[in-house]
Amino acid sequence: GESVGLHLPTLSVQEGDNSIINCAYSNSASDYFIWYKQESGKGPQFIIDIRSNMDKRQGQRVTVLLNKTVKHLSLQIAATQPGDSAVYFCAENVSGYSTLTFGKGTMLLVSP
Amino acid sequence: DAGVIQSPRHEVTEMGQEVTLRCKPISGHNSLFWYRQTMMRGLELLIYFNNNVPIDDSGMPEDRFSAKMPNASFSTLKIQPSEPRDSAVYFCASSLGGYGSPLHFGNGTRLTVT
Repeated sequence: GESVGLHLPTLSVQEGDNSIINCAYSNSASDYFIWYKQESGKGPQFIIDIRSNMDKRQGQRVTVLLNKTVKHLSLQIAATQPGDSAVYFCAENVSGYSTLTFGKGTMLLVSP
Repeated sequence: DAGVIQSPRHEVTEMGQEVTLRCKPISGHNSLFWYRQTMMRGLELLIYFNNNVPIDDSGMPEDRFSAKMPNASFSTLKIQPSEPRDSAVYFCASSLGGYGSPLHFGNGTRLTVT
């Protein structure tokens, strides 16, 4: 797939560590947020979402935290595995609109 | 669930040629989106349809780009004439529609215009 890593912030972790990927959003009207994972040669894959009436939401090995005060979103991955290596995007949605606005992405590299 | 299906996976063409990218959304999804991904610009929304009707095409770069959705199970993105700066990965995505519906992406078409 196309390499999108050359200009992306990169987070390198060891297998088994916990990873935290951060995202700052700019639109204070955004009230629905999604994290996507994109592996090389594939399209973005939905991981987890959160609405603005929540501060935290947990999935399987993943947790999303939302801080509306500072317009910050984070994705925490527990016990990171080599298969988690990918580019992670946050996306935001404004109530009343069907479209998502994507951030630039963060590359996660997991070493065995 | 077959997911969103795009074809072709790769397209290499010469400048000036017409290019047609195809997409089959997930059955039952009412909204369809075309995105373009490049290193410099990331993921950009080109156009989206709701119930086969184009709703917002403000992201379409110029008149060389056009998109159609003749029915609920098929959409095309056409570039005519193509230029080297159109080289990118083009993604189609679909959703149930409306606010709060996650987009489900296909695996994209990598377009190279020489």
